[in-house]
Amino acid sequence: AQSVTQPDIHITVSEGASLELRCNYSYGATPYLFWYVQSPGQGLQLLLKYFSGDTLVQGIKGFEAEFKRSQSSFNLRKPSVHWSDAAEYFCAVARGNKLVFGAGTILRVKS
Amino acid sequence: DSGVTQTPKHLITATGQRVTLRCSPRSGDLSVYWYQQSLDQGLQFLIQYYNGEERAKGNILERFSAQQFPDLHSELNLSSLELGDSALYFCASSVAGRKPNEQFFGPGTRLTVL
Repeated sequence: AQSVTQPDIHITVSEGASLELRCNYSYGATPYLFWYVQSPGQGLQLLLKYFSGDTLVQGIKGFEAEFKRSQSSFNLRKPSVHWSDAAEYFCAVARGNKLVFGAGTILRVKS
Repeated sequence: DSGVTQTPKHLITATGQRVTLRCSPRSGDLSVYWYQQSLDQGLQFLIQYYNGEERAKGNILERFSAQQFPDLHSELNLSSLELGDSALYFCASSVAGRKPNEQFFGPGTRLTVL
């Protein structure tokens, strides 16, 4: 069965530092991959997606993610974190029409 | 703002009761999805409707049902509520119905069952 693993439940980074959130998926075919962000009390906002083509995808708010088929990974990165990036981040893979989500990673930003 | 609206934002009710959650998709989107977010289960897909017809079903309990109306808004009905049904319920919409595509999420309805 398709699944998504986000190994880090919590991550704390200093403001201005770089960020990498890990995501591993298990899926037999070419995956359709997504990263969403959820701020406290808010819905899910799509940061970026990968369907095909260039394995490095750019998203909103300065985020990017790289698809690595050999490692079954789709890690999210940002070169310099801002305090407003504190939120929970979800990686998801499309299984048919539905999205299968990872457990999420809570990002804390310290000043 | 994703363009997906959900009402109400909060709902507090008692065990055994029935509630209806409402969702209006983005303009032009034909698919509506319902997800449940709880502390123990995480984000789980419940059901999808496309242009009024049920398209996919996930881990939706028999006590739960949904429908999509001709104007494309959708309702999720939860009955015989139990404490464990307390969760955040999200609606999402997308243009297409079959192949994977990006889904836009509403702000959610927080259901508390006492």
